[in-house]
Amino acid sequence: GQQVMQIPQYQHVQEGEDFTTYCNSSTTLSNIQWYKQRPGGHPVFLIQLVKSGEVKKQKRLTFQFGEAKKNSSLHITATQTTDVGTYFCAGPNSGYSTLTFGKGTMLLVSP
Amino acid sequence: DGGITQSPKYLFRKEGQNVTLSCEQNLNHDAMYWYRQDPGQGLRLIYYSQIVNDFQKGDIAEGYSVSREKKESFPLTVTSAQKNPTAFYLCASSSSAEAFFGQGTRLTVV
Repeated sequence: GQQVMQIPQYQHVQEGEDFTTYCNSSTTLSNIQWYKQRPGGHPVFLIQLVKSGEVKKQKRLTFQFGEAKKNSSLHITATQTTDVGTYFCAGPNSGYSTLTFGKGTMLLVSP
Repeated sequence: DGGITQSPKYLFRKEGQNVTLSCEQNLNHDAMYWYRQDPGQGLRLIYYSQIVNDFQKGDIAEGYSVSREKKESFPLTVTSAQKNPTAFYLCASSSSAEAFFGQGTRLTVV
């Protein structure tokens, strides 16, 4: 079945440093989604990318969808302590209404 | 308000007892999921359901059971066969475009 892999599993940065997490799917995706889970909370939808090569920005967050629609990245510029949490990517299973989630990247930001 | 509701938020049980976690959604989603999350870890899929009266095992289904008798409801039973049941359990429902998660149930078995 479809697999979605994320790297790194964990990253610890100093406030102000940049951060990037990568997501790779074993199959071509019709779209890819990103979620953020704050400590003690539940994952919350951030964004969906649909087009090949698409780039979207949300303030300091930049999301990219690969040309082959099998990989994606989330880049945070100048991290802040409010960015702490686990970031998940997810892609829909072909022909089904279900999503496959990556294991997530945990980001810790030290002031 | 549309959304997904899990209850209870905290649950304590004695070892050897079965316990059922509730998950209800009013988003009209076909797909529903149960995940387990241990401290500092990612999401591990327990069971998922694509349609009423049908469900599939995820990566860590042993010791768990589910039912999907109604589109809105997908309860999870943690049985006594689950060796390490203490964890944070998340229920979700999705379309192909977006998933919504419940607030989670933190289960502690003593």
